Amino acid sequence: ETGVTQTPRHLVMGMTNKKSLKCEQHLGHNAMYWYKQSAKKPLELMFVYNFKEQTENNSVPSRFSPECPNSSHLFLHLHTLQPEDSALYLCASSQVPGGPSSSYNEQFFGPGTRLTVL
Amino acid sequence: QQQVKQSPQSLIVQKGGISIINCAYENTAFDYFPWYQQFPGKGPALLIAIRPDVSEKKEGRFTISFNKSAKQFSLHIMDSQPGDSATYFCAASKESGNTGKLIFGQGTTLQVKP
Repeated sequence: ETGVTQTPRHLVMGMTNKKSLKCEQHLGHNAMYWYKQSAKKPLELMFVYNFKEQTENNSVPSRFSPECPNSSHLFLHLHTLQPEDSALYLCASSQVPGGPSSSYNEQFFGPGTRLTVL
Repeated sequence: QQQVKQSPQSLIVQKGGISIINCAYENTAFDYFPWYQQFPGKGPALLIAIRPDVSEKKEGRFTISFNKSAKQFSLHIMDSQPGDSATYFCAASKESGNTGKLIFGQGTTLQVKP
């Protein structure tokens, strides 16, 4: 295992539901990320948090709301999603980027949450 | 400017053969180029990475070749094994002033036949 856990692993929700995805890292990292992985498309970066502060929002619709209460935990709150939001949502963590070695850029991914929106 | 283009989309190689996956980027400010490997049901995992101050990096059977002038880099898997069957993603980022934003290619699904 990579030291990054995600729950739930699978989620089916209706368009009017509210649900949350959870990510936890046990690696002592200070940066956390949410990615969306759709079939036949590149991994899309959604959000980046460094030391609990959001540093990147990649033009993500407001129906996706991230929360980072501390450096070990990251949530993605979901509300009134669309069927096209069905995808694998991946969480990753790393040391805060820009450090003295390339290891600062290595991102460790969790197994993902497979989301289906009906 | 921010895209990373990866090819081929899928690749079938016989056991013992060489697998080659290519990527091209546009942003000359990129200075960190990792390759990630993803097995079904798992998240991507870093396989090997290179910075543009070298033209080649080798780790076991995996080699990255980097051509800065052509803005291209490739992954070579020597003596490919069935256990190498996975999806491979190239990526690029800018280390200095970096917020951690990795730009990924579209992915290549590799199947190594026994």
